[in-house]
Amino acid sequence: DAGVIQSPRHEVTEMGQEVTLRCKPISGHNSLFWYRQTMMRGLELLIYFNNNVPIDDSGMPEDRFSAKMPNASFSTLKIQPSEPRDSAVYFCASSSAGSTGELFFGEGSRLTVL
Amino acid sequence: KQEVTQIPAALSVPEGENLVLNCSFTDSAIYNLQWFRQDPGKGLTSLLLIQSSQREQTSGRLNASLDKSSGRSTLYIAASQPGDSATYLCAVYPGGFKTIFGAGTRLFVKA
Repeated sequence: DAGVIQSPRHEVTEMGQEVTLRCKPISGHNSLFWYRQTMMRGLELLIYFNNNVPIDDSGMPEDRFSAKMPNASFSTLKIQPSEPRDSAVYFCASSSAGSTGELFFGEGSRLTVL
Repeated sequence: KQEVTQIPAALSVPEGENLVLNCSFTDSAIYNLQWFRQDPGKGLTSLLLIQSSQREQTSGRLNASLDKSSGRSTLYIAASQPGDSATYLCAVYPGGFKTIFGAGTRLFVKA
């Protein structure tokens, strides 16, 4: 299995620009999670989807953040407009709901906002 | 509210030592507990998953135990190697799709 695939791996942008991060979950997994990791706060859950439906987005920090999952094999996390404090590593993870809850992570997208 | 704590935050050991990483959680109502490894600049790699009905799981030189009643888990690494240097995170799954992570233990194994 290819695992969870994220792109881009690295993104450097200027404040105010739109950023779109992409994720392809493991085939057959119907739960998808977006996390943000920083030195100060560790891993924070931003949003999770079950069967392509957003279940809980209470972790999304501001209205500047939005996430979509148009189908079972693709999700995006968008930040518009981006700010320097958004600089972090963004991880996507998937799991097979209703089973063990075991999480599988992608390699992450490192975002730097100048 | 479920909280996960990992002690120590950092650990340095000489190569060949057996070591134990600790994880504690405040609410024993969990479905499973998962140990991850994270290398610098990389994602989280699942090491071991212990179901709530299990007491331990083993994979190679790794052994993870779970004591729900006391809210504790340990990750035992036998005969540590420099390649084991990484951050190890513990996470509990209380159900409802949310997984609660500890802050991790940064391990450095000296050659």
